[in-house]
Amino acid sequence: GQSLEQPSEVTAVEGAIVQINCTYQTSGFYGLSWYQQHDGGAPTFLSYNALDGLEETGRFSSFLSRSDSYGYLLLQELQMKDSASYFCAVRDAAGGKLIFGQGTELSVKP
Amino acid sequence: DAGVIQSPRHEVTEMGQEVTLRCKPISGHNSLFWYRQTMMRGLELLIYFNNNVPIDDSGMPEDRFSAKMPNASFSTLKIQPSEPRDSAVYFCASSFGGRMAKNIQYFGAGTRLSVL
Repeated sequence: GQSLEQPSEVTAVEGAIVQINCTYQTSGFYGLSWYQQHDGGAPTFLSYNALDGLEETGRFSSFLSRSDSYGYLLLQELQMKDSASYFCAVRDAAGGKLIFGQGTELSVKP
Repeated sequence: DAGVIQSPRHEVTEMGQEVTLRCKPISGHNSLFWYRQTMMRGLELLIYFNNNVPIDDSGMPEDRFSAKMPNASFSTLKIQPSEPRDSAVYFCASSFGGRMAKNIQYFGAGTRLSVL
């Protein structure tokens, strides 16, 4: 089956850099995705890695190492509005559905 | 495009009542997903459809839950009879395209269900 592990919560200060790690176990691999969810809102897609390496989208970057079954989301120049939950997700063995981690709650302090 | 549209946004009902949640996916998307989110269990996939056909309903809790997708632009999730433990936020999401694009799902705003 598939399983993902990520820290339950992370705290950082405004302007800092924070890294949210995700380790996964999956039979068959179709990429690692990251979603952001603000309190009371819907999950929104942030980033996706199919191959090893770093993908950069503005202040957010995502990294993948398939040999280590590991990825991370890097948030730079943190802003208060980045306070949210962040989920990593992988597709199941059949490739049809996403399996989400339990989420990491990021708190950005002034 | 207006995105994925869910209705109602909030639903308060009494135990034993039937509840119907509705979803309109993004036009052109061929996969539709129903999720339930609670503090205890996180984001759980209940069922998903591909080209209007249910593909995997292994996440549906029990027979009280049913989902339909009569056409490409509409889906319902029904709970009958509802129970207090069904209280949660229910999300609908859609995606399109091939193997890579399926990693990107677009979520609706959700329906917050409270069963008293």
